[in-house]
Amino acid sequence: EAQVTQNPRYLITVTGKKLTVTCSQNMNHEYMSWYRQDPGLGLRQIYYSMNVEVTDKGDVPEGYKVSRKEKRNFPLILESPSPNQTSLYFCASKRGQANYGYTFGSGTRLTVV
Amino acid sequence: QKEVEQDPGPLSVPEGAIVSLNCTYSNSAFQYFMWYRQYSRKGPELLMYTYSSGNKEDGRFTAQVDKSSKYISLFIRDSQPSDSATYLCAMSVGAAGNKLTFGGGTRVLVKP
Repeated sequence: EAQVTQNPRYLITVTGKKLTVTCSQNMNHEYMSWYRQDPGLGLRQIYYSMNVEVTDKGDVPEGYKVSRKEKRNFPLILESPSPNQTSLYFCASKRGQANYGYTFGSGTRLTVV
Repeated sequence: QKEVEQDPGPLSVPEGAIVSLNCTYSNSAFQYFMWYRQYSRKGPELLMYTYSSGNKEDGRFTAQVDKSSKYISLFIRDSQPSDSATYLCAMSVGAAGNKLTFGGGTRVLVKP
């Protein structure tokens, strides 16, 4: 089944403790992206990647890091999480440049206390 | 002011009714418009994609774009309980790339 897989689905952590949310896609997509979703604000892009070793900032990149060492994986790293990073996170991937083509994962609900 | 505004709802309708959803936006450069459906504990999935002004129909779904008013709509005919979800509008300036601007989503409840 073609899909984007995120882990973990739920995570509660403490301020300052580094964490990584993994994302993997099995569709051989070039483009991958991370979004966060907050009530009333919709989805906001954190980072995106156009291919291996090519990443760029989205609208809200502060406090996040990403890497794209393999085509299928695009982990999101929070070096020092803070409570304002409590959110629902989505990874997405797409094959080509068309902006409507994203397939989303099922989300990771992160709580930072 | 947000670039894309969407009433958060919830919008509650009886089964079989027409669901009417809309978004307003401020950036006149937006040309590509999308509607996503998001079920609880799931990621968004694309429902409709339209370019510029006009109507597009796909089964029970109709998307309308009025660029002169900066207003887009989604209509769901013969609504079913399975249509209960959050509906997100999204838009972009270009057809390609990575920049999508999303509305906050409208929660829809279709009651049997």
